[in-house]
Amino acid sequence: GEDVEQSLFLSVREGDSSVINCTYTDSSSTYLYWYKQEPGAGLQLLTYIFSNMDMKQDQRLTVLLNKKDKHLSLRIADTQTGDSAIYFCAESMGSGYALNFGKGTSLLVTP
Amino acid sequence: DSGVTQTPKHLITATGQRVTLRCSPRSGDLSVYWYQQSLDQGLQFLIQYYNGEERAKGNILERFSAQQFPDLHSELNLSSLELGDSALYFCASRDRDFYGYTFGSGTRLTVV
Repeated sequence: GEDVEQSLFLSVREGDSSVINCTYTDSSSTYLYWYKQEPGAGLQLLTYIFSNMDMKQDQRLTVLLNKKDKHLSLRIADTQTGDSAIYFCAESMGSGYALNFGKGTSLLVTP
Repeated sequence: DSGVTQTPKHLITATGQRVTLRCSPRSGDLSVYWYQQSLDQGLQFLIQYYNGEERAKGNILERFSAQQFPDLHSELNLSSLELGDSALYFCASRDRDFYGYTFGSGTRLTVV
């Protein structure tokens, strides 16, 4: 599929907010996802957003979607050391289609 | 436990060999997706099955094949293995009424 781009690294201090950015190029993407991968573990679904929405909030997580710029962001409020992981942005053309992933952003939270 | 079961967790084998990776989707999920995760290529979609039938193909090599059985478990067969096939292989399943995809914990394949 088209490329999904993410910055590779982000380092924040505990208690600060983290913002992880993603750009996608396939304008036909219908659903956009954020997954978290901890060392040695599988992928955990954090949240998803439909392309007809521009924001979704779920506890400490806020997803913003700018469809015009094909830009997706994940904000983690009050970041904790347990949030250190790799975060993947993914797009899907529709229900049942396979996910197209970015290369992941490695988030390091320091005390 | 995500409900998607993958076995084995680790596999070490020699070049030229053939291995089979197994995935059991969450109870009731009809779709299975296979992905390969490597350092250089990231997460690449390989193949999708739905209720026993192949639904979509991604970047799957001809040396690789898969199938989904009547009980909905799936197997990914990798043959004539090369060093570059060393990777984490994930499967995922999807609930028809839910838009998220649930991943297993993966099989780490090392080809020596």
